[in-house]
Amino acid sequence: DIQMTQSPSSLSASVGDRVTITCRASQGISTYLSWYQQKPGTPPRLLIYGASTLQSGVPSRFSGSGSETDFTLTISTLQPEDFTSYYCQQNYRTPPTFGGGTKVEIK
Amino acid sequence: QVQLVESGGGVVPPGGSLRLSCRASGIIFKTYVMHWVRQAPGKGLEWVASISYDGSDEDYVDSVKGRFTVSRDNSRNTLYLQLSSLTPEDTAVYYCAKEGVFRGLDFWGQGTLVTVSS
Repeated sequence: DIQMTQSPSSLSASVGDRVTITCRASQGISTYLSWYQQKPGTPPRLLIYGASTLQSGVPSRFSGSGSETDFTLTISTLQPEDFTSYYCQQNYRTPPTFGGGTKVEIK
Repeated sequence: QVQLVESGGGVVPPGGSLRLSCRASGIIFKTYVMHWVRQAPGKGLEWVASISYDGSDEDYVDSVKGRFTVSRDNSRNTLYLQLSSLTPEDTAVYYCAKEGVFRGLDFWGQGTLVTVSS
């Protein structure tokens, strides 16, 4: 199975900060990488697919980059509603594994 | 709009069985690969199973192989997950999700809680 290592597991930031979350795959996955946001008590929401394509309706402050083994999710200007959890997922090979998650907390 | 509505969760003793359902609306259900993903209390996301658009191909995470069965009824726009030989480690919220472009999961249900406890 392809292992997805997400870092950091948590971070503290302030409104207006630029935040970067990384995800590393144990083998090359081309750009078959998705990012999700999940708020407590709700299902995950797809933010980015294909490593860098923004899902419809997602604010442009979110962006993704990377290919093969190294990927990043960037939030350019953190908003109050962005303080929650984020997950990466590789969709290259079954099983489609998730990273361990990153919790973005208010500093 | 797209809606996925799960049902069938509940409390079941170890070794028991349960069938989860996920009814879809707002999409041409029979054209999409569908997935089940679970989340144990306070934990991260774990992919469980997927099924091809016509039901001819199924995949499972190793920990549920031989115990869980995914199926679909395209005439009823409904996805199923049959859970059996349940253990406390299967306790989780189970989500159904639709596969989109580049295999991202673009629509999710609200989830149904399965609790395995005596």
